Amino acid sequence: DTGVSQDPRHKITKRGQNVTFRCDPISEHNRLYWYRQTLGQGPEFLTYFQNEAQLEKSRLLSDRFSAERPKGSFSTLEIQRTEQGDSAMYLCASSLERVTEAFFGQGTRLTVV
Amino acid sequence: AQTVTQSQPEMSVQEAETVTLSCTYDTSESDYYLFWYKQPPSRQMILVIRQEAYKQQNATENRFSVNFQKAAKSFSLKISDSQLGDAAMYFCAYRRLWGAQKLVFGQGTRLTINP
Repeated sequence: DTGVSQDPRHKITKRGQNVTFRCDPISEHNRLYWYRQTLGQGPEFLTYFQNEAQLEKSRLLSDRFSAERPKGSFSTLEIQRTEQGDSAMYLCASSLERVTEAFFGQGTRLTVV
Repeated sequence: AQTVTQSQPEMSVQEAETVTLSCTYDTSESDYYLFWYKQPPSRQMILVIRQEAYKQQNATENRFSVNFQKAAKSFSLKISDSQLGDAAMYFCAYRRLWGAQKLVFGQGTRLTINP
């Protein structure tokens, strides 16, 4: 499968625990995006990488959130000290520079109990 | 900041009929992209159709077409000959021409197809 892959698909965690999600973009794509989608809403932008550089972060990305893309390939999104409000679907997308279409993964659904 | 508004939380249509989903947006830029994405119950977002703001001609992809009214900042999606597989959440999205190219999404419209 050559699409965008996200792992895990589902994560249930207790409030206060740390969680980490992984995204593997389409192999030649140099741009990678993270979005958050709450139930019944459209996705909201969190952060964006071009190669390994994190070029933009949303104000939604509090200091409990950190994202990395160490070698310009896969990316991780970590949430520290999770809160119930963090419960959402976390979507990853990738694209090629100068190409308009972004391809999405199936997302990681996080439930904080 | 750019905003996208979808005023129809839910729509339904009979199989084989035509349905139109509405979207309005706000931007001060003159060049940009607009998209309609489909999100089936499996949750993977799929691109349906794309419109470049500098093109006057409305985009068409098989049974899907758009009505792009730049002055009115309106971008509706028409689905002809609706099929059961069209049932999904549909999101309208905006993207700047340059820069980070992040997508700004509307709230979505849930489309139900009645057999």
